[in-house]
Amino acid sequence: QVQLVESGGGLVKPGGSLRLSCAASGFTFSDYYMSWIRQAPGKGLEWVSYISSSSSYTNYADSVKGRFTISRDNAKNSLYLQMNSLRAEDTAVYYCARWDYDILTGTHYGMDVWGQGTTVTVSS
Amino acid sequence: EIVMTQSPATLSVSPGERATLSCRASQSVSSNLAWYQQKPGQAPRLLIYGASTRATGIPARFSGSGSGTEFTLTISSLQSEDFAVYYCQQYNNWPGLGTFGQGTKVEIK
Repeated sequence: QVQLVESGGGLVKPGGSLRLSCAASGFTFSDYYMSWIRQAPGKGLEWVSYISSSSSYTNYADSVKGRFTISRDNAKNSLYLQMNSLRAEDTAVYYCARWDYDILTGTHYGMDVWGQGTTVTVSS
Repeated sequence: EIVMTQSPATLSVSPGERATLSCRASQSVSSNLAWYQQKPGQAPRLLIYGASTRATGIPARFSGSGSGTEFTLTISSLQSEDFAVYYCQQYNNWPGLGTFGQGTKVEIK
């Protein structure tokens, strides 16, 4: 079945680094834009970053620009988020999600597949 | 940045009743709006995209309406599994990142 599984979360000190991974299965990964969304404890959702199907386009929230890097390996059906210079305010559950976007028609179909999330805690 | 404001913050509804959730955009987002449902300890689930189109497998009791700056998610007859937090998200500023509302919690009355 269609599935996304995140890994790589954990406890890290401020200023440290972490690399999140998201393994996709059950669909043609290389056909889809992919995203990272985070949710701080007790808070709402924040779209952190996305990457196009061929890695040609990426975008980042201002809150993470210059510190986080999104990437993907279509041969391995995997999405990544390299997080550097981590801050306490980066503490959150990080979800990967499939962003269904038809580039030919310009039609968006929303984030239709989500992983279960991985928890990142930034604390000394 | 387009700010999405949801109301009310909490909605108390009895099972079988109708629930109406609102989402307002700080500027027009056309019909580029999605709704998600999130239950405690779970990932969000896509309910509606394009303001009014139900995602695959979403029951017909969920409906979305609106365009421009005012949007509504209606749950026609609340079931026990519908008690959750609901988020709206605009993606009109693509290729920029869309923004989410702060959520509406639907709780049992």
